[in-house]
Amino acid sequence: SAVISQKPSRDICQRGTSLTIQCQVDSQVTMMFWYRQQPGQSLTLIATANQGSEATYESGFVIDKFPISRPNLTFSTLTVSNMSPEDSSIYLCSAPTGWEQFFGPGTRLTVL
Amino acid sequence: QKEVEQDPGPLSVPEGAIVSLNCTYSNSAFQYFMWYRQYSRKGPELLMYTYSSGNKEDGRFTAQVDKSSKYISLFIRDSQPSDSATYLCAMTGGSQGNLIFGKGTKLSVKP
Repeated sequence: SAVISQKPSRDICQRGTSLTIQCQVDSQVTMMFWYRQQPGQSLTLIATANQGSEATYESGFVIDKFPISRPNLTFSTLTVSNMSPEDSSIYLCSAPTGWEQFFGPGTRLTVL
Repeated sequence: QKEVEQDPGPLSVPEGAIVSLNCTYSNSAFQYFMWYRQYSRKGPELLMYTYSSGNKEDGRFTAQVDKSSKYISLFIRDSQPSDSATYLCAMTGGSQGNLIFGKGTKLSVKP
């Protein structure tokens, strides 16, 4: 299993600013994932972050808006850049062990 | 048509009831089917996963997959107030990262 923590747990931000979300895993993992969970919507994969390579973004998500870092096998960050109210959502990171994917508690972001 | 359809509810049942949660999907390439439980202000946690068609039982929980109908179910027997949560179905064709989630069904079990 893997225990995942995220910081911050929640934040309220002004439009046009950026927020960096941190994700820490208690064991080394090859892949980490970043998801967005909007109210009433499915969890949507933003990108896959592998250590030592560029993140792979899903359709509809771009690096300029959601830059990701993966400096080592236990840590990743997601930045939400130039925020607008439409970016208000819960952002979750996850990491797989075998077929089980473990999720962090999420970061609840509100953009005013 | 969305790839995975799940009734968001909310679903309210009395304690002890049998709960049936369902998802339909359109992509015949899906092979792995999962159910996640998400408590309020927490991340999803994996309840059960099933490969291909068939049933899988774990305590009070039973997962069923009918690939011919593209329909999956999660049954909860003897439901408890602690089962109150949002249940998300998820599926993939084989790539661990490429999970496609349903919207989740919010369940409330009343004492």
